[in-house]
Amino acid sequence: QVQLVESGGGLVKPGGSLRLSCAASGFTFSDYYMTWIRQAPGKGLEWVSYISSSGSTIYYADSVKGRFTISRDNAKNSLYLQMDSLSAEDTAVYYCAREGAYFDSSGRLSDAFDIWGQGTMVTVSS
Amino acid sequence: SSELTQDPAVSVALGQTVRITCQGDSLRNYHASWYQQKPGQAPVLVIYGKNNRPSGIPDRFSGSRSGNTASLTITGAQAEDEADYYCNSRDSSGNHRVFGGGTKLTVL
Repeated sequence: QVQLVESGGGLVKPGGSLRLSCAASGFTFSDYYMTWIRQAPGKGLEWVSYISSSGSTIYYADSVKGRFTISRDNAKNSLYLQMDSLSAEDTAVYYCAREGAYFDSSGRLSDAFDIWGQGTMVTVSS
Repeated sequence: SSELTQDPAVSVALGQTVRITCQGDSLRNYHASWYQQKPGQAPVLVIYGKNNRPSGIPDRFSGSRSGNTASLTITGAQAEDEADYYCNSRDSSGNHRVFGGGTKLTVL
């Protein structure tokens, strides 16, 4: 069964740190790009960070760049998000998602986040 | 602010057809993908690429694109289609992924 399971969320004080984990199963983790996406309470989806299958290419949203670090351990089928200097604006449910890239016959690209975890809640509050 | 723009809310009568749109300059170069999210649940991919449905997604869901606008069409909307819908594509750099603000679909 293809599955992603996040863990590591919780309550943290402003300025604090938290490390999220995402355990993958049911597919060859090392073959896939992975992404973190978050959703603040009552708000829409916000893309946070991307990592290539080997870990050699990484991108961050401007809102988290310099504070968050994405990484992966393909031997452990795991994805991570180290979050530092947290603020109230980082309060959200954090999802990990498997990412595919699909090209049509003309070469036009579409992303596809085809597998999502159940999410882990991060609350930043004093 | 999002580089993809969606109407905040759309309604449709049961069994009728509804189109949910997503506008953005990047859609001239990239296809959108679409996600359905019901309360308390993780999003689910419903359309990706030119017009591709993952296994298990009903064929009443379809996608299209024209110019800078991508559309998700539900033909014969069902009560269970009531949900939030998000489009996704790339930003102008091509490296960052971006989501639209979401459309709340109400089935009357």
